[in-house]
Order: sequence, then C-alpha cells, then structure tokens
Amino acid sequence: DIQMTQSPSALSASVGDRVTITCRASQSISSWLAWYQQKPGKAPKLLIYQTSSLESGVPSRFSGSRSGTEFTLTISSLQPDDFATYYCQQYNRLWTFGQGTKVEFK
Amino acid sequence: EVQLVESGGGLVQPGGSLRLSCAASGFTFSSYSMNWVRQAPGKRLEWVSYISSSSSTIYYADSVKGRFTISRDNAKNSLYLQMNSLRAEDTAVYYCARAQWGSGVDAFDIWGQGTMVTVFS
Repeated sequence: DIQMTQSPSALSASVGDRVTITCRASQSISSWLAWYQQKPGKAPKLLIYQTSSLESGVPSRFSGSRSGTEFTLTISSLQPDDFATYYCQQYNRLWTFGQGTKVEFK
Repeated sequence: EVQLVESGGGLVQPGGSLRLSCAASGFTFSSYSMNWVRQAPGKRLEWVSYISSSSSTIYYADSVKGRFTISRDNAKNSLYLQMNSLRAEDTAVYYCARAQWGSGVDAFDIWGQGTMVTVFS
C-alpha cells in the first residue's frame, strides 16, 4: 500500500501569509496527486489534480508542485475563506489520503 | 447543477447491515466511475470502494473487503453500498464521489454531502 505523510499536522497563520503544506509518498506515484480542502461538517473540495493543475473555479493563489515523491501545496496569500483542513491524495495505485493539515487563524 | 445526494445512514448494532444510496443528477451518470469514501470522527479520509461506469471493474479497501458490496443502477442514476457485518470501526461519514475524468484511477471532483453511519453496542 502507498502511504501518504503530510506535514505539518496543523499550522497557525494570518491573512496575507504564504502557506506551504507538504505531502510525501512512500513510493513513486508519478504526478498522480491531488489536494482537497475540507471545512467542518462539509465534503472535501478538489483544489488541484495531477500535482499542479488547478480545478476550475479555484483561485490562482493555490498552486502545487513536486520534487520526486515530495509534493507541496502553496497558498500564496492566505484569505479568510482558506482556513480549513487540507488533504493530499495519491491516485497512482488505488487511492490514499494524507492525514490532513489544519490551517488555523493565528 | 451537478449533484450527489447520499442517504441510508443511521444507527446499527455490531454485526448489522445497512445499505447506502447515492443519487446523481446534472451529469451523465453512466459515463462516470464512482467511489465511496468515509471519514471517521476526527480522522483522515479513507477510500472505501470503486466501481467503473459499466460495473465491470470493482475495487475495495482491505478494511471492508468481504463485508461491503458496491453496485450501481445507471438507469436510476444511483450508486449503492451494501454494508454487512458492521463493526464499531466502520462508524464514519460516508461520501460518494465522482471520478474526475469518468474512468480509471482519477481524482474525485464531485462529492455528496455525506451520510453518517454509527455502529454501536
């Protein structure tokens, strides 16, 4: 099974901050990685697929990148609507999610 | 509007059964592979099961293999999850989710609102 390890588990940030979340795969998953945003009591929302492709309607302040088996989600300037939990997901072989990163207000 | 609506959750004792449903609208359901994903309280998302558009290919997570059965009725635009031999660790919100590009191993672009399943003794 492919394991996905996210870091950090939580972070505190202010509006306007640049935020970076990392996800590491236990083996090669090529570029088959997605990022989701989830707010309390709501379903996850797809933000980025195939490492760096922005889903339709998602603000351009969200971006994704890859270095080997390490993947990064960056929010260039945190907005009030961005306080949420973020999950990575590999879909190279079946599907596995990371443990989540909660972005909290500082 | 593209939409998925789950139903069928509830309270059940260990060893019991439940059948979840997911009603799709706003898109050509028969063209898309579908999935069930669950989330235990305070825990990460966990993929549960996949079914291809024609039902020809089905996958299960090891944690539910042999106990859960996924199925679909394209004429009714509906996805199902039959859950048998339920355990306390199956307690979770269950989401149905659409495969982004219709087939194969994709990201999930449309999610339902979820239905809660609680297994208690």
